[in-house]
Amino acid sequence: GENVEQHPSTLSVQEGDSAVIKCTYSDSASNYFPWYKQELGKGPQLIIDIRSNVGEKKDQRIAVTLNKTAKHFSLHITETQPEDSAVYFCAASTNTDKLIFGTGTRLQVFP
Amino acid sequence: DARVTQTPRHKVTEMGQEVTMRCQPILGHNTVFWYRQTMMQGLELLAYFRNRAPLDDSGMPKDRFSAEMPDATLATLKIQPSEPRDSAVYFCASALGVTEQFFGPGTRLTVL
Repeated sequence: GENVEQHPSTLSVQEGDSAVIKCTYSDSASNYFPWYKQELGKGPQLIIDIRSNVGEKKDQRIAVTLNKTAKHFSLHITETQPEDSAVYFCAASTNTDKLIFGTGTRLQVFP
Repeated sequence: DARVTQTPRHKVTEMGQEVTMRCQPILGHNTVFWYRQTMMQGLELLAYFRNRAPLDDSGMPKDRFSAEMPDATLATLKIQPSEPRDSAVYFCASALGVTEQFFGPGTRLTVL
């Protein structure tokens, strides 16, 4: 079955710097890759997703890149702000309903 | 403001007791998921339903866990009997079709 690895497990950056979180997946049939943000005491919330027919997608300060050949995808957050502090999860799916989640990255943005 | 609701938000119980968690999906969503989140295992899919029919419960311990959808506005997850290792945050999520899943706020379960 699908396996998703996520790195790093923790990431600390200064406000205004960029943050990058990387994930790799094992199933070459996976074609949907969402990223979720989880704030303390809340459920995960989708922030951006990408499908395998595109290599990059951007939404304001957030971007996701996908390398199907290498089977990895990354989340890029530019101009980080303290409110970006949260746990971020990547996931992969073969267009079924079963999202396989990575282990999460705790991002801390220091003012 | 459409959102997934879950009750209770917190539950403390003793080993051996029955626990029932409830979820109200977003109106119109036809797919409901149950996840469990722990520090050790991360986010795990327990079961999910489409149009109230169970599609996959392979992630769920069958001997003590059960999930149902009595109607389109209610999904339940029951644990009987509960054990300390069941302590976790249980999330419900709903979706329309196979795309974006909207998560509820979770039920934090502690089994003593």
